[in-house]
Amino acid sequence: KAGVTQTPRYLIKTRGQQVTLSCSPISGHRSVSWYQQTPGQGLQFLFEYFSETQRNKGNFPGRFSGRQFSNSRSEMNVSTLELGDSALYLCASSPQRDSGGADTQYFGPGTRLTVL
Amino acid sequence: AQSVTQLGSHVSVSEGALVLLRCNYSSSVPPYLFWYVQYPNQGLQLLLKYTSAATLVKGINGFEAEFKKSETSFHLTKPSAHMSDAAEYFCAVTRILTGGGNKLTFGTGTQLKVEL
Repeated sequence: KAGVTQTPRYLIKTRGQQVTLSCSPISGHRSVSWYQQTPGQGLQFLFEYFSETQRNKGNFPGRFSGRQFSNSRSEMNVSTLELGDSALYLCASSPQRDSGGADTQYFGPGTRLTVL
Repeated sequence: AQSVTQLGSHVSVSEGALVLLRCNYSSSVPPYLFWYVQYPNQGLQLLLKYTSAATLVKGINGFEAEFKKSETSFHLTKPSAHMSDAAEYFCAVTRILTGGGNKLTFGTGTQLKVEL
């Protein structure tokens, strides 16, 4: 099976702009989670989507949003970019075979966002 | 709240020597614990996962980890380091969320250096 793919891999934007990142999960996986990785804050959970609905959300401002499509592909959007949004954004998918247990999350290669 | 603490942000070993990366967890319920590895400019790759089936968990690339409830630890070991093991290693804990799904909480990471 193909792994999690993320596009683009690298992105440069300026302050105030908005950006959309894309994630295609492993075939058959229904849950998609997003994480932000920075040197200062480490890996932090942004949100999780399941069945086209945001099921869980981390502690990030409303400028960070996302959505999931019927084929489980997901996008995240960051509006009004700030310098501090420069980070590696990682997408992870998991099967979510049932409502219990802790499904393993499989990560994509990430999108490196640089805000100038 | 669940958390993990990784002792030692940098660990250096000689090729062929034992690798020991430390992780302690804090959880009010039986935890699900993970070790991931990240190579430069890549996403996270799952090394192994603890789900209470067995206290000694074997992973990929010769790594294993032992869950010790009395010590609240989940240290990662490998008997003989290889140059290709040089990477950053993350310990993570997850909890099942009320509405379903789960989110990973990561440690701050340990950079492993392997010297000749």
